[in-house]
Amino acid sequence: QQQVKQSPQSLIVQKGGISIINCAYENTAFDYFPWYQQFPGKGPALLIAIRPDVSEKKEGRFTISFNKSAKQFSLHIMDSQPGDSATYFCAARAGDSSYKLIFGSGTRLLVRP
Amino acid sequence: KAGVTQTPRYLIKTRGQQVTLSCSPISGHRSVSWYQQTPGQGLQFLFEYFSETQRNKGNFPGRFSGRQFSNSRSEMNVSTLELGDSALYLCASSFGLAGPYNEQFFGPGTRLTVL
Repeated sequence: QQQVKQSPQSLIVQKGGISIINCAYENTAFDYFPWYQQFPGKGPALLIAIRPDVSEKKEGRFTISFNKSAKQFSLHIMDSQPGDSATYFCAARAGDSSYKLIFGSGTRLLVRP
Repeated sequence: KAGVTQTPRYLIKTRGQQVTLSCSPISGHRSVSWYQQTPGQGLQFLFEYFSETQRNKGNFPGRFSGRQFSNSRSEMNVSTLELGDSALYLCASSFGLAGPYNEQFFGPGTRLTVL
């Protein structure tokens, strides 16, 4: 119940294309869903986050789509660029007293020029 | 504003030894969380400290411990190191307990290798 399942494990997209990464969860107590971007040798950096009372959030080329009934959320990267090549992690936080972030397994994105 | 700093950046230890890792949060941040990152298990939550008190703990053995000082700096200790403890240990800080209103900022991590 504490898991967040992320897919695909790796993704190759041409420059200008759309990258889509999906995550699914079981715990209905999760109340915060951030996405992190991690470059080699660096710590994860918050990219965009959403709460379950919102179905979509857009920031620049990055959009989170959230489907509460299906318990799924996804990251869309529009007009993907080679500089977007990184590992992306979805995460979820339980709204109970635990507050800890549960991370997905990560998606390695490669954007070809 | 300086980011989260972790020291040392790289560490090599042998089985059975103990290790202490240090994390300095962003100025003004009172919460520090620790995560273990490995290729097999991904990012796993270790514990979170807020105002010198451990608020949350992940599913790790008692060999993993931590503490937070009055200036919010935090240390993590691993005793009796095992080969499987080789990982990138990440520290993240936030103003309050990590969540929708308190974004977590990660440090670059400490790469621990256990031989």
